[in-house]
Amino acid sequence: DTGVSQNPRHKITKRGQNVTFRCDPISEHNRLYWYRQTLGQGPEFLTYFQNEAQLEKSRLLSDRFSAERPKGSFSTLEIQRTEQGDSAMYLCASSLVGAVYNEQFFGPGTRLTVL
Amino acid sequence: KNEVEQSPQNLTAQEGEFITINCSYSVGISALHWLQQHPGGGIVSLFMLSSGKKKHGRLIATINIQEKHSSLHITASHPRDSAVYICAVPIRNTDKLIFGTGTRLQVFP
Repeated sequence: DTGVSQNPRHKITKRGQNVTFRCDPISEHNRLYWYRQTLGQGPEFLTYFQNEAQLEKSRLLSDRFSAERPKGSFSTLEIQRTEQGDSAMYLCASSLVGAVYNEQFFGPGTRLTVL
Repeated sequence: KNEVEQSPQNLTAQEGEFITINCSYSVGISALHWLQQHPGGGIVSLFMLSSGKKKHGRLIATINIQEKHSSLHITASHPRDSAVYICAVPIRNTDKLIFGTGTRLQVFP
């Protein structure tokens, strides 16, 4: 399977714990995006990378959130001191700059539940 | 007012019916995406279009750039089409996407 993969698919944690999610993009894609989707809503942009550089962060991304893409391949999203409001689906997508409309390909998502 | 609005929010149909989902947007765009999300969360890209019409199997997407409106049609709907359908547009001069809230479609046999 050469699509975007995300791990874990599901994560249940207690409030106050730290969690880390991983996204592996399509191998030749240089852009990688993180989105968050709460129940009944469309996804919302969190941050994106071109290669290893983080180009933009949404104001939704509080200080408790950090994302990295150290070698320009996979990316991690860490949430520190989780809160119940962090419960959501975290989606990753990747694209190739210069491809037709920079079409984004989505991963299956990581569903986070904070108890 | 949301920059991307979809209607209806929920749609129920009998197998075989013709389905239309609408998307209106208020920002200038280069292209519009139609996405499908099944229970369990994964998103699949159905179409990306900047003008006219595209067809893939029983799915047809149209866009009117002047009117800032797009429609997704499903012909001969089937229970396996049951999903949430989301339209999304890139913010001008970037490719960050703004998403609609989705249309939840249920097709009954």
